[in-house]
Amino acid sequence: EVQLVESGGGLVQPGRSLRVSCTASGITFRYNTMNWVRQAPGKGLEWVGFIRGEAYGDTSEYAASVEGRFTISKDDSKTIAYLQMNSLKIEDTAIYYCTTVGGHNWHYYFDSWGQGTLVTVSS
Amino acid sequence: ETVLTQSPGTLSLSPGERASLSCRASQNVGNNYLAWYQQIPGQAPRLLIYAASNRATGVADRFSGSGSGADFTLTISRLEPEDSAVYYCQQYGNTPTLTFGGGTKVQIK
Repeated sequence: EVQLVESGGGLVQPGRSLRVSCTASGITFRYNTMNWVRQAPGKGLEWVGFIRGEAYGDTSEYAASVEGRFTISKDDSKTIAYLQMNSLKIEDTAIYYCTTVGGHNWHYYFDSWGQGTLVTVSS
Repeated sequence: ETVLTQSPGTLSLSPGERASLSCRASQNVGNNYLAWYQQIPGQAPRLLIYAASNRATGVADRFSGSGSGADFTLTISRLEPEDSAVYYCQQYGNTPTLTFGGGTKVQIK
């Protein structure tokens, strides 16, 4: 059974940084693409970005709204994916979900989800 | 970027009734790569349907997806109280941006 557990959310001031983590089990982590989706309070879902597995060189892609500010990485030995968020804005306030993916390169749907971690950006 | 428009915004039906949820894309979705998710209040979303009409593992057969091109439908054939949720569509056929619709809320009377 796939399990994804996010952690590291919290309150952070605008302009500061925060790193959230996703610990995975039940998958062959190094070969999997790991993905992040966010949901602002009371709003819909927004794709954030993903990091491909080893076969694709661990390369990553991002939504335009976070490109240049957010970085996704992973530690295969610990089966953890990270979302490093820099230059945070108030509009980045959201629950951040980690997911696994189905489909094939770039053409991904999101098949298993963690419970999410809340990031609040406020002064 | 492919924009997905879901309708209606809210659907209020009784147990046993049939629900039809629409998802319309601003352009054809490549290979009909369209997924549907269910989000019960306070929970993470759950995958229901992928590639327009394929049910995910463990999803009840009263959920079905149909459609092609730019016009897709999620049908819940016989509503049960636990189907009360927000339903989202997502396209993954047109890259680079993977996009979601705004959601349809299903209320069970």
